[in-house]
Amino acid sequence: DTGVSQNPRHKITKRGQNVTFRCDPISEHNRLYWYRQTLGQGPEFLTYFQNEAQLEKSRLLSDRFSAERPKGSFSTLEIQRTEQGDSAMYLCASSHDVQLNTGELFFGEGSRLTVL
Amino acid sequence: AQTVTQSQPEMSVQEAETVTLSCTYDTSESDYYLFWYKQPPSRQMILVIRQEAYKQQNATENRFSVNFQKAAKSFSLKISDSQLGDAAMYFCASQGGVFYGGATNKLIFGTGTLLAVQP
Repeated sequence: DTGVSQNPRHKITKRGQNVTFRCDPISEHNRLYWYRQTLGQGPEFLTYFQNEAQLEKSRLLSDRFSAERPKGSFSTLEIQRTEQGDSAMYLCASSHDVQLNTGELFFGEGSRLTVL
Repeated sequence: AQTVTQSQPEMSVQEAETVTLSCTYDTSESDYYLFWYKQPPSRQMILVIRQEAYKQQNATENRFSVNFQKAAKSFSLKISDSQLGDAAMYFCASQGGVFYGGATNKLIFGTGTLLAVQP
């Protein structure tokens, strides 16, 4: 399967702990996005990478959140000192470079975070 | 800023019937795309249909079609001959701006419409 892969699929943690999610995009995609989706809401944009460069961060991404994409391949999203309000589904998506871009994003199945 | 509004939290349709999901949007961009994405339970979001704003012709993909009213900023999705597998959450989304190398071109989503298909 060459789709977007996210791990772990579900993470349960206690408040105050750190968690890290990983996203492996489709191999030829150089654009990578992180979204957060809470119950009953649509996905909300968190951050965007073009290759290894993080080009945009949402105001939703507090100082406790950090995302990286070393070498422009996989990406990680780390949440430090988790709070109950961080409980959500974290979605990763990737797409082609602008020359090939149809505007479509390809999504992974998401990583669900539950903070107790 | 872009906003997308879906005013129908839930919809229901009988199998083989037709249903229309509503979406309105607001954007200051002159060049943008609109999308409908489908999110089945516990599955990843997949693209249903896409519309370029500069095209007047409504997009169609098999049983799925859109009614794009640019002046009214309306973008509804029609599903014909509904099937049980169409049951899912449907999200309307916009993507704006000029498409160049440094642009983010992120999707802005509505809150979704949960579609139930009755056998």
